[in-house]
Amino acid sequence: EAGVAQSPRYKIIEKRQSVAFWCNPISGHATLYWYQQILGQGPKLLIQFQNNGVVDDSQLPKDRFSAERLKGVDSTLKIQPAKLEDSAVYLCASSLSDRGAYEQYFGPGTRLTVT
Amino acid sequence: GNSVTQMEGPVTLSEEAFLTINCTYTATGYPSLFWYVQYPGEGLQLLLKATKADDKGSNKGFEATYRKETTSFHLEKGSVQVSDSAVYFCALSDQAGTALIFGKGTTLSVSS
Repeated sequence: EAGVAQSPRYKIIEKRQSVAFWCNPISGHATLYWYQQILGQGPKLLIQFQNNGVVDDSQLPKDRFSAERLKGVDSTLKIQPAKLEDSAVYLCASSLSDRGAYEQYFGPGTRLTVT
Repeated sequence: GNSVTQMEGPVTLSEEAFLTINCTYTATGYPSLFWYVQYPGEGLQLLLKATKADDKGSNKGFEATYRKETTSFHLEKGSVQVSDSAVYFCALSDQAGTALIFGKGTTLSVSS
């Protein structure tokens, strides 16, 4: 079974530039999550999708971050414009459902450096 | 709101030593509890989980018991190996199936 795919793996941009990350979840997984992991901290949820609908985006900085999940499969996360404090690893995860203790499977992450 | 607190690292042990990484949580209701591990250069992987009080999760020699009375889910292993060197994250998910809430992670370094 293929895992969660993410690209790019690394990205370096200057502040005020824009960047986009892509995620392809495990086939058949209805729930998709984007987490932000700042160095030395645990991952923090940015947005959760159930199929192509948003379940929770309460911690997404909507003035600069946006995300979509067209057709309930792939997802993209965009930052525009980037700030220095956005330097982090962006993790995508998927699970069969958002009900019960279904395991979340994580992708390798995209390491973003904003200079 | 819900939160997870885990002991700060790094934890440095010799091979075959006993390991305990403490984790306590704050949550309403009855959350599910997890330990995830991140090996160097790899993504997060589920190590073990427990979904109700007194459940014991176990995997690869690691164990953790869901203690509601002390709101704890401490990770233990009787004899660590060099290959266990990684960052360990305690996490919870509430009954409604919300996203995971993670602790800050504990770095374990095992030397031979």
